[in-house]
Amino acid sequence: NAGVTQTPKFRVLKTGQSMTLLCAQDMNHEYMYWYRQDPGMGLRLIHYSVGEGTTAKGEVPDGYNVSRLKKQNFLLGLESAAPSQTSVYFCASRRDSSWMHTEAFFGQGTRLTVV
Amino acid sequence: GDSVTQMEGPVTLSEEAFLTINCTYTATGYPSLFWYVQYPGEGLQLLLKATKADDKGSNKGFEATYRKETTSFHLEKGSVQVSDSAVYFCALSEQFGNEKLTFGTGTRLTIIP
Repeated sequence: NAGVTQTPKFRVLKTGQSMTLLCAQDMNHEYMYWYRQDPGMGLRLIHYSVGEGTTAKGEVPDGYNVSRLKKQNFLLGLESAAPSQTSVYFCASRRDSSWMHTEAFFGQGTRLTVV
Repeated sequence: GDSVTQMEGPVTLSEEAFLTINCTYTATGYPSLFWYVQYPGEGLQLLLKATKADDKGSNKGFEATYRKETTSFHLEKGSVQVSDSAVYFCALSEQFGNEKLTFGTGTRLTIIP
């Protein structure tokens, strides 16, 4: 009963390096999200997916790419990391858009520092 | 676009005090409304929700009522405990085209013994 699992939990990158954050959910959810959390700004949506093979831009997509090749996984990529991408990243999933299943389940977060 | 506005924090209260955290929203139609809680070092957890006007969500002694007329979903608890110290987020999901969840900026609550 893992729920939403994020890998890694911590990472330090040098400016210009690339990395991929992995989000895996075992609840057969259709919708998946990547948020970043910064002090005083709450959660801002980076990208999201409404099903396998689909992705869409959120509020702050620049500098990030995503892929949803398998329903259970949602990958967030940073091609060339910048200090402005230092943040805590959260993945979330929802079963679908129906009224009865609208709440999201969150992973424990990835703390990324770009130096 | 949709938006959620929460009261500015941080909020510091003594144990057993009454808590209110204000949340107002802007959205078309009848969105679903949520309160999430984030304990130190953890991800967000759903605290309570309401999916239609006048619904009251409740959990762990916390309550919030969906007020369409005032576009509000204020969080209340009659007697807070030290263990309630956390960051609280108000959020909404649109009624139509509701793929996205929109969050407020969060309110940090600290309860002192």
